[in-house]
Amino acid sequence: AQSVTQPDIHITVSEGASLELRCNYSYGATPYLFWYVQSPGQGLQLLLKYFSGDTLVQGIKGFEAEFKRSQSSFNLRKPSVHWSDAAEYFCAVGLSGRRQNFVFGPGTRLSVLP
Amino acid sequence: DTEVTQTPKHLVMGMTNKKSLKCEQHMGHRAMYWYKQKAKKPPELMFVYSYEKLSINESVPSRFSPECPNSSLLNLHLHALQPEDSALYLCASSQPQGYNEQFFGPGTRLTVL
Repeated sequence: AQSVTQPDIHITVSEGASLELRCNYSYGATPYLFWYVQSPGQGLQLLLKYFSGDTLVQGIKGFEAEFKRSQSSFNLRKPSVHWSDAAEYFCAVGLSGRRQNFVFGPGTRLSVLP
Repeated sequence: DTEVTQTPKHLVMGMTNKKSLKCEQHMGHRAMYWYKQKAKKPPELMFVYSYEKLSINESVPSRFSPECPNSSLLNLHLHALQPEDSALYLCASSQPQGYNEQFFGPGTRLTVL
């Protein structure tokens, strides 16, 4: 069965420090991969997506992610975190075929220290 | 317009009430979704409409009744809910192929007393 794991439930970084959020997936075919961010009580905002091509993907708000097929990973990075980046981050896999669905990871909560 | 709107933002209802949640998008998307999200959890898929037809029902109790009047609108009718149904209800839309990115609304915070 398809699954998405985010090994870190909660990460705390200092403002200005670099960030990497991990995401691993289990899916037989070529995955369609996404990172979403959710501020408290809000909807989900798409940060970036990977469908094919260049494995390093640039997104909004200075985020990037790298697809590594050999490691079944799609880790999210940011070189310098801002206090406003504190939020919940979800990795997701989009499923091809007739069934329309995403598989979401459990999420990683990011706290930012001043 | 890349926005999905949801009304109301907050809803408090008793277990005997009937209420509806509304969702609207004007991006020309032909797939629309309802998700339920509990605190500190990822969204859980409830229903998917594709070309205004119900294509997925994730074994949701019948006290939740979805409706898609047209390609831009999605409703969720609520009746005889339980306190454990209290959650953030999110609407999303996308192009109909399942792998496309979904655009989410801000959600309706539902409290069942």
